[in-house]
Amino acid sequence: QSALTQPASVSGSPGQSITISCTGTSSDVGGYNYVSWYQQHPGKAPKLMIYDVSNRPSGVSNRFSGSKSGNTASLTISGLQAEDEADYYCSSYTSSSTGVVFGGGTKLTVL
Amino acid sequence: EVQLVQSGAEVKKPGESLRISCKGSGYSFTSYWISWVRQMPGKGLEWMGRIDPSDSYTNYSPSFQGHVTISADKSISTAYLQWSSLKASDTAMYYCARSVAVAGHFDIWGQGTMVTVSS
Repeated sequence: QSALTQPASVSGSPGQSITISCTGTSSDVGGYNYVSWYQQHPGKAPKLMIYDVSNRPSGVSNRFSGSKSGNTASLTISGLQAEDEADYYCSSYTSSSTGVVFGGGTKLTVL
Repeated sequence: EVQLVQSGAEVKKPGESLRISCKGSGYSFTSYWISWVRQMPGKGLEWMGRIDPSDSYTNYSPSFQGHVTISADKSISTAYLQWSSLKASDTAMYYCARSVAVAGHFDIWGQGTMVTVSS
């Protein structure tokens, strides 16, 4: 199974908004509403930020939002803060292995 | 507190066997699947496979099928990831994570176990 496709890097200034895309196929992103997003700071375990395309776990800032159109999911971070600088990974259920597939990850730099 | 606590870092030689562990606490261990996720140095996350601790049913990513074994002992709320013959390319950080269903997201992660394989 192939990894989902994410841009390698994105950047933005404090206060701005950025969007990270995650492109898959009809066997994963496009076929199911089981897309999740994870934030990973250096040397730390990943943290769940968005699940089931657009739901935020308790405790996650409402500056983080998710959406999906066709085979592409998106994570939007508004009001960028320095602490948002991290790697972000999308994941999806995939019917090809009845398992999970991750994106390659996107490094967010807050300028 | 709901948490997954993993075993400590390991340094092994090629060809050696290894089993690392992931102990759940603060929740009903058999109500959630446990997955294992690999992260090679400087690289992204890769889903390896998962287990339903209630009946030890497993399914693996095609990329890892046959290379590792996932098991669990529900009596001690612990899941395992095992290699019979390590390779240098197995050097990575390994995370366990729980999900509520087969298609579910990973809401709780372990702290990670670093495995280094070197002669």
